[in-house]
Amino acid sequence: QVQLQESGPGLVKPSETLSLTCTVSGYSISSGYYWGWIRQPPGKGLEWIGSIYHSGSTYYNPSLKSRVTMSVDTSRNQFSLKLTSVTAADTAVYYCARSYYASGSFFYDYWGQGTLVTVSS
Amino acid sequence: ETVLTQSPGTLSLSPGERATLSCRASQSVSRNYLAWYQQKPGQAPRLLIHGASSRATGIPDRFSGSGSGTDFTLTISRLEPEDFAVYYCQQYGSSPNTFGQGTRLEIK
Repeated sequence: QVQLQESGPGLVKPSETLSLTCTVSGYSISSGYYWGWIRQPPGKGLEWIGSIYHSGSTYYNPSLKSRVTMSVDTSRNQFSLKLTSVTAADTAVYYCARSYYASGSFFYDYWGQGTLVTVSS
Repeated sequence: ETVLTQSPGTLSLSPGERATLSCRASQSVSRNYLAWYQQKPGQAPRLLIHGASSRATGIPDRFSGSGSGTDFTLTISRLEPEDFAVYYCQQYGSSPNTFGQGTRLEIK
């Protein structure tokens, strides 16, 4: 059974960098699939942030592309997200998910439980 | 970017009834690459349907998806108590993939 678990600080100061890691178990990242991040502001809908392949190939949402960096560590079966220059608008539950690639886009079949990141001084 | 509009915003029904949820896209969804997710409070979304009508692994057959182009529907044939949740549609026919704003299915 594929399982994903997000980890990282729950509180980030404005203008700083949000950093999260997703640890995958039950499946080797190197075996295939893209791996992605999706966020959900409290009480609101879902927004795709980006997805990464084990080779390091990435796709980012254009609305966030200038602030997002994703990386992968196949030896630890983990992938990570960095979002720079955060503001209160970046407060959200951040989910990691296995991304099924289809013609340049993705849907998501396995999800982590999510982690709330609050941006506040 | 493709905008998805879901209707109704809230649907109030009783267990055993049939639920019909709508998702309309601002432009045609390529290859009918449309997915549906269920989300319960405090939980991650769960994939129900992909490719507009293909059920994901382990999803009961009371859930079915249909539609093409810009108009898609999720139908729950006979509501079970555990089906009351928020449902999101998502298009992945073009990048960036985008989600609808959700339909809340509540117990009447």
